[in-house]
Amino acid sequence: EIVMTQSPATLSVSPGERATLSCRASQSVSSNLAWYQQKPGQAPRLLIYGASTRATGIPARFSGSGSGTEFTLTISSLQSEDLAVYYCQQYNKWPPWTFGQGTKVEIK
Amino acid sequence: QVQVVESGGGVVQPGRSLRLSCAASGFTFSLYGMHWVRQAPGKGLEWVAMIWYDGSNKYYADSVKGRFTISRDNSKNTLYLQMNSLRAEDTAVYFCARPLGYDSGDAMDVWGQGTAVTVSS
Repeated sequence: EIVMTQSPATLSVSPGERATLSCRASQSVSSNLAWYQQKPGQAPRLLIYGASTRATGIPARFSGSGSGTEFTLTISSLQSEDLAVYYCQQYNKWPPWTFGQGTKVEIK
Repeated sequence: QVQVVESGGGVVQPGRSLRLSCAASGFTFSLYGMHWVRQAPGKGLEWVAMIWYDGSNKYYADSVKGRFTISRDNSKNTLYLQMNSLRAEDTAVYFCARPLGYDSGDAMDVWGQGTAVTVSS
């Protein structure tokens, strides 16, 4: 099973500043990496797939990078509506499909 | 519009059974594999089970293998999760999710709002 590890657990960022979230895989997942945003009381929403491709309707301030075992989600200019928990997920080697434990983004 | 809607959750005693449903609309259900993913209170996302578009292959997390059964009825555009021998640790919100493309291994781009299952005596 591929273990996904996210850091930090919590990130506090002021509006307009950059937020950088990290995700590490226990073995290579190539570019088969997705990022999801989950706001309080809501279902997860796909943000990024293929490590760097924005899903339909996702604002350009969200970007993904990386390949192999190291990945980054960047929010270039944090907005108040970006308050959420962000999860990475690998879909390279399955089953199981595995998620990271999440990074909570707080507005400072 | 493309959507999936879960139902069937509730409060159930340990050891009992429950069946969840997920009704799909706005897309050709029979062309897509489908997942169940759960989230325990205050915890992260855990993949539970996956079924191929035609039901020919099914996969389960170790935590539910032998107790849960995923199935589908393509004539009714509906996905199911039969949960037997329920335990307290199965308490969670259960989401059904559709992959982005016809490749069953793809990222999940359509999610329902979830149905809550509480296992308690």
